[in-house]
Amino acid sequence: QQQVKQSPQSLIVQKGGISIINCAYENTAFDYFPWYQQFPGKGPALLIAIRPDVSEKKEGRFTISFNKSAKQFSLHIMDSQPGDSATYFCAASIEGTSGSRLTFGEGTQLTVNP
Amino acid sequence: GAVVSQHPSRVICKSGTSVKIECRSLDFQATTMFWYRQFPKQSLMLMATSNEGSKATYEQGVEKDKFLINHASLTLSTLTVTSAHPEDSSFYICSARWGWTEAFFGQGTRLTVV
Repeated sequence: QQQVKQSPQSLIVQKGGISIINCAYENTAFDYFPWYQQFPGKGPALLIAIRPDVSEKKEGRFTISFNKSAKQFSLHIMDSQPGDSATYFCAASIEGTSGSRLTFGEGTQLTVNP
Repeated sequence: GAVVSQHPSRVICKSGTSVKIECRSLDFQATTMFWYRQFPKQSLMLMATSNEGSKATYEQGVEKDKFLINHASLTLSTLTVTSAHPEDSSFYICSARWGWTEAFFGQGTRLTVV
């Protein structure tokens, strides 16, 4: 019930292309779905996040699509750039509770070729 | 976003010794701090959650006597790896948040036990 499944494990995209990473969850109590970007040797940084009351959120080249009925959400990176090459993690949590903590997906290693 | 600083960024210690990692929230008061462990090409594994002034809550399978966590103030949490062994070599990451707000991550600490 606490797992978040992420795919693909790795992704290679040409510069200018669209990168798509998918996540699925089981626990319907999750109400906060962030995506993190992590460069080698660094901690994760929040990229974009969504709550289940909306189906899509866009910030610059990054878009989250959320399908509550399917219990799935995805990250789309438009016009992918070599600088986007990093590991991306989806996560989910139940906010507003004393035990609130993030459950992470397995991660996707994105490589954007020039 | 808010800044969370971890120190040191890299540490090498001899087997059997103890090493302390500090996590500081620089521009906000962290009511909750989290400690994660990350092996190469893997996701973040939550080790423990600590609230200021109270004992840390450890995840199942994490030895509390080996990984000592202290959250003595609203801006500082420490993780001490006691009697370190080569299998403790890993990337340790902290995160901090105030109330139910977004959690911010430190830059991580690479521990190598020789």
